[in-house]
Amino acid sequence: QKEVEQDPGPLSVPEGAIVSLNCTYSNSAFQYFMWYRQYSRKGPELLMYTYSSGNKEDGRFTAQVDKSSKYISLFIRDSQPSDSATYLCAMSAGNNNDMRFGAGTRLTVKP
Amino acid sequence: GAVVSQHPSWVICKSGTSVKIECRSLDFQATTMFWYRQFPKQSLMLMATSNEGSKATYEQGVEKDKFLINHASLTLSTLTVTSAHPEDSSFYICSAIGTGTYSNQPQHFGDGTRLSIL
Repeated sequence: QKEVEQDPGPLSVPEGAIVSLNCTYSNSAFQYFMWYRQYSRKGPELLMYTYSSGNKEDGRFTAQVDKSSKYISLFIRDSQPSDSATYLCAMSAGNNNDMRFGAGTRLTVKP
Repeated sequence: GAVVSQHPSWVICKSGTSVKIECRSLDFQATTMFWYRQFPKQSLMLMATSNEGSKATYEQGVEKDKFLINHASLTLSTLTVTSAHPEDSSFYICSAIGTGTYSNQPQHFGDGTRLSIL
C-alpha cells in the first residue's frame, strides 16, 4: 500500500463546475498537508498549505483535512479553463525535508 | 517571495555528454535543496537531498556517480548528469527549503529542466 493514494484521473468538468480532488494516506504521523498545481512542462506551484485537521479557504480554493479518516480534499469553486492542470497532494510529518507526494490528478476544465 | 529558478529549461544533447542543471533560490537562502525526476504523467520521484556544504543524500536506486550534486552555497545547487544516455531523458525538477521566514514553509519548486538525450 502506498503512503499517499491519489486518483490520477483524468478528470474533465465544464467551466463553472465545482471540482473535488482527494487523497488518502496511511501514515498517522502526517500533520502538514499541501496541494500543488502543476501546469504542463512546469514545476509544481504551492496552492494550499494546512496544518492538522480543518478547513482553509483561499479565494476559489478550499482545502479540507480529516485526520481521523486520513483523507484530504481540495475544492475548486467556479472552475475556469485556466485551472486545467495536474494537482498534486503532498504531506509530511513535520519535517518538510520528508514530503510524500500523491500521483497527481489531471484536471481539464472545458469552456 | 520564495522564488526558485532553474536553468536551463530545456536541453538536447548527444549520448555520452555530461549535462549540468542549476537550481537557484532567488530571494531566500536555501538550507536544503531537493532534486526530483518526473516521467510523463507520473508523480515526482525524489532523487537526492542536498544541504549546503555537505554531501548529498541519495535515494535508494539513484546512482551517485551518475547524478552528481553540488550545493556550494545557500542559493545554488547543481545537478550534473554524467555521460548521459537516452534512458536519462526526463524532466528534472529542483526544490528548496529556506531559512528564517521560509523555514516553516513547504518546498518551493523550480520550473524544471527537460532533458532529451539523442
